[in-house]
Amino acid sequence: GAGVSQTPSNKVTEKGKYVELRCDPISGHTALYWYRQSLGQGPEFLIYFQGTGAADDSGLPNDRFFAVRPEGSVSTLKIQRTERGDSAVYLCASSPQTGTGELFFGEGSRLTVL
Amino acid sequence: GENVEQHPSTLSVQEGDSAVIKCTYSDSASNYFPWYKQELGKRPQLIIDIRSNVGEKKDQRIAVTLNKTAKHFSLHITETQPEDSAVYFCAARRTGANNLFFGTGTRLTVIP
Repeated sequence: GAGVSQTPSNKVTEKGKYVELRCDPISGHTALYWYRQSLGQGPEFLIYFQGTGAADDSGLPNDRFFAVRPEGSVSTLKIQRTERGDSAVYLCASSPQTGTGELFFGEGSRLTVL
Repeated sequence: GENVEQHPSTLSVQEGDSAVIKCTYSDSASNYFPWYKQELGKRPQLIIDIRSNVGEKKDQRIAVTLNKTAKHFSLHITETQPEDSAVYFCAARRTGANNLFFGTGTRLTVIP
């Protein structure tokens, strides 16, 4: 596709439920990032993939958060036992290769936990 | 880790005036400093970036300056237009790292 695609664009769930957020990066981009953006804040790093492997997951807040990228393209961010504090916009970004410059962001998945 | 601070949090200017947004960073090993623009409900988009081997970079009405000694960098927008209204984020990345650390954003409003 022309850009980074994220689904769903909006997700409302109840506290304690499981949620999956999907990211389809720009074709050919080997680096993929997940960020979380709370209201009035800048994007906060969660996890970075180079190819299929999670090269840096130091930003994941706790073990309820997990992400996969099994074929080196589409990635899924998984959140277990959601809490109200998980409510935010989850942004995915990709880049052609690591550490070289511009991140291309998707429009995000807005998660609301009631 | 890196800590990026950004000021001001909001900025209003008259159309045609200049706008300046300032950021400081803590990690002297940071060497890449991009600026992203995010319109309401839209994705962040890169508008300009600078690497630590240069002190200033311009692209039409926007420019970025970098002072490595003081660990601060600034975004300058001249001849502002209403379509410049958005939230602007600065960011920094360490040499050899993959992660960008973002500032908290500046909401710029250009008044026609």
